[in-house]
Amino acid sequence: AQSVTQLDSHVSVSEGTPVLLRCNYSSSYSPSLFWYVQHPNKGLQLLLKYTSAATLVKGINGFEAEFKKSETSFHLTKPSAHMSDAAEYFCVVSDRPSYIPTFGRGTSLIVHP
Amino acid sequence: DGGITQSPKYLFRKEGQNVTLSCEQNLNHDAMYWYRQDPGQGLRLIYYSQIVNDFQKGDIAEGYSVSREKKESFPLTVTSAQKNPTAFYLCASRSRDSGPLFYGYTFGSGTRLTVV
Repeated sequence: AQSVTQLDSHVSVSEGTPVLLRCNYSSSYSPSLFWYVQHPNKGLQLLLKYTSAATLVKGINGFEAEFKKSETSFHLTKPSAHMSDAAEYFCVVSDRPSYIPTFGRGTSLIVHP
Repeated sequence: DGGITQSPKYLFRKEGQNVTLSCEQNLNHDAMYWYRQDPGQGLRLIYYSQIVNDFQKGDIAEGYSVSREKKESFPLTVTSAQKNPTAFYLCASRSRDSGPLFYGYTFGSGTRLTVV
């Protein structure tokens, strides 16, 4: 069975400061891991993905994440927050045999001017 | 451009009424999914389909039904048996590729269903 835990329901930062959104996962095999972003009343947009290639993954809008198997973590980071980054972020795990995506509960990122 | 289209964007249901949410994709994806989103609960899986004419229940299938008669279409019916249907519903799809070729899941823009 697979599962995802997003360790913070809300993260508040000031514009221009670093962002860290934490995600731990559980999986029986070799999972694929994703971060998606959702703006209010919108669908989900893929930020980045890990699929057994490089462990440091770079995504869109300056975000990156590092897959750490020993810690079963896939934390999302950004060096400098922008006001437009304010949104809901979801960590997602997917694994064989079914490849059904399992979502974390989401982290709301709040960016203060 | 390829993508997933969900319609309508907003839907209002009266008590005891069945309603159907549309999900259409032109990505030639094999698998399709329906999720329900409630505040603070993330996305919960309602139904999924890996191939045409086959679908499986997810974690919260009670009060919902689906069909998959065409590869492009995966409509979701919210029946009167669903006691608390007010939520945001998202449809997603994925290709059969796996490993480094796996792009990920593509999502529609959602339907917000409200019981009136």
